Amino acid sequence: QVQLQESGPGLVKPSETLSLNCNVSGGSISNYCWSWIRQPAGQPLQWIGRVYPSGNANYNPSLKSRVTMSVDTSKSQLSLKLTSVTAADSAVYFCAREYSSSSGKVFDFWGQGTLVTLSS
Amino acid sequence: EIVLTQSPDFQSVTPKEKVTITCRASQSIGTGLHWYQQKPAQSPKLLIKYASQSFSGVPSRFSGSGSGTDFTLTINSLEAEDAATYYCHQSSSLPYTFGQGTKLEIK
Repeated sequence: QVQLQESGPGLVKPSETLSLNCNVSGGSISNYCWSWIRQPAGQPLQWIGRVYPSGNANYNPSLKSRVTMSVDTSKSQLSLKLTSVTAADSAVYFCAREYSSSSGKVFDFWGQGTLVTLSS
Repeated sequence: EIVLTQSPDFQSVTPKEKVTITCRASQSIGTGLHWYQQKPAQSPKLLIKYASQSFSGVPSRFSGSGSGTDFTLTINSLEAEDAATYYCHQSSSLPYTFGQGTKLEIK
């Protein structure tokens, strides 16, 4: 069964760049699209964007100017970068696999999430 | 952007009770609607995909229905372990969006 594990600094300073990785194991990273989703404390989930194995990506318009996603298939690793962070970017960040079928797309497996807090 | 509105926001229920959570989309999304269960300090877990298809390993007491703009998640014979927040999610169009969540408390 596929497993996803997020990693990265738990503390980021305002105006700096948040950088996270997601390691994928137990399955091929090349056969799926991968999304990043975040959840501020006590709030609903927000889709940040998705990246294809080719490197092509789609981003949420609300974050598009600050987000970059990439894939390293040799390492089975996804990366997320979010620039110019503010307190509003404090959240638990999840990576998730996007399963695609004739019925559509769905997030079938998620990482456990990593908490990112802004602190000066 | 498609807005998903869940109701209720919170529900307190007793074991063995039947629970119904609804999700309304701001425009038609066919059956591109999914339900997730999230317990505190855990990641969301897929329960129902494409409005009515159960995900592998999910107990049969969970079921989903609906299409277009109105969807329902039903939990038959609620168990104590079902205490969680439930989210609907649409993958019909980008950006993907989620409902605000329904918190289920077991009395």
